Amino acid sequence: GAGVSQSPRYKVAKRGQDVALRCDPISGHVSLFWYQQALGQGPEFLTYFQNEAQLDKSGLPSDRFFAERPEGSVSTLKIQRTQQEDSAVYLCASSGRQGANYGYTFGSGTRLTVV
Amino acid sequence: GESVGLHLPTLSVQEGDNSIINCAYSNSASDYFIWYKQESGKGPQFIIDIRSNMDKRQGQRVTVLLNKTVKHLSLQIAATQPGDSAVYFCAENSGGSNYKLTFGKGTLLTVNP
Repeated sequence: GAGVSQSPRYKVAKRGQDVALRCDPISGHVSLFWYQQALGQGPEFLTYFQNEAQLDKSGLPSDRFFAERPEGSVSTLKIQRTQQEDSAVYLCASSGRQGANYGYTFGSGTRLTVV
Repeated sequence: GESVGLHLPTLSVQEGDNSIINCAYSNSASDYFIWYKQESGKGPQFIIDIRSNMDKRQGQRVTVLLNKTVKHLSLQIAATQPGDSAVYFCAENSGGSNYKLTFGKGTLLTVNP
């Protein structure tokens, strides 16, 4: 597709439920990023992939968060045993370069609400 | 009750006026800066960037100014239009990282027709 596609657009989860958020980057883009955006805040870095390799996961808030990109294209962010503080918009971005220095392209995000 | 962080700095301008949005960045080692525009329900959209070896960069209707001495960044929008209404974020490449961005808090720009 022409842009970064994320699904679902909205997800409501009961506390304790596991969720999986999907990201389809721009075709051929090497770099993929996940960011978390709390209400009224700027996005915060979660993790970075270069092809299938997860090069940085320092922003993942806890071991309940897990991201993968097994074939170097589609990525999934999984959150286990969701908590209310996980409620946020999860943004995926991709870049055709090996890095971010030229402003990567964001998707529209998945809004997760934990009730 | 109110929650800290829900109240963004706001700027309200009349259509046709020029807008200036300011940002203080945090890390003196950062050497690349970007302004993003975020409309409701959408992801951030790249507007313009600047490297630390420059003080000013111009795009179409937008200009970014960088003052490294006081770690200050500004975005100027000329002849502001209703379609410019959005939240604007500055971002820096965290301490010189070539992939990680640190975003500021954002400013809500409202353009009145």
